[in-house]
Amino acid sequence: DAGVIQSPRHEVTEMGQEVTLRCKPISGHNSLFWYRQTMMRGLELLIYFNNNVPIDDSGMPEDRFSAKMPNASFSTLKIQPSEPRDSAVYFCASSQDRAQETQYFGPGTRLLVL
Amino acid sequence: QQQVKQSPQSLIVQKGGISIINCAYENTAFDYFPWYQQFPGKGPALLIAIRPDVSEKKEGRFTISFNKSAKQFSLHIMDSQPGDSATYFCAASLVGGGYNKLIFGAGTRLAVHP
Repeated sequence: DAGVIQSPRHEVTEMGQEVTLRCKPISGHNSLFWYRQTMMRGLELLIYFNNNVPIDDSGMPEDRFSAKMPNASFSTLKIQPSEPRDSAVYFCASSQDRAQETQYFGPGTRLLVL
Repeated sequence: QQQVKQSPQSLIVQKGGISIINCAYENTAFDYFPWYQQFPGKGPALLIAIRPDVSEKKEGRFTISFNKSAKQFSLHIMDSQPGDSATYFCAASLVGGGYNKLIFGAGTRLAVHP
């Protein structure tokens, strides 16, 4: 298996622009997580999907952030409009087991908002 | 109460030495304690995990020690190697909102010098 696939790997954009991050979970995994990693706040859970349905979006920082999972093999995280404080590494992770205990992380997207 | 406190922030060990990373938690509802390893430019990957009903788990050179009464757990890396140089995250799993949510520590950057 190719593991969790994320694209792009790096994104540089200007403040105010729309940014879309993409994730393909491991085939057969029914849970998907979006995380944000920064030096100041560490790894933060943004949103959790189960069977393509958003279950917990309490970590989404504000309305500028939105996430979708139109099918079992694809998810997006969108930031509109982007701000410099959104600069971070964004990880997607997927899980198969019922308890979602073992999460498999993608390589991340490093986002820089100028 | 949902925090996991990790120390030290960084650690330098000589090749062949023992690396020890400590974590503490408050919430006794946590029921699963994994450690993740992250290399530069990569996503975190599950290294080893323990449940609170055992005091120790060993996998190769990696050992988790768990002290339920003190609400502390630690990762020991025996015979540390330069290839172990990475950032290590402890985590705790909390069943809430219908799923197991991982709460991560802040991370420890380990450097093993030859």
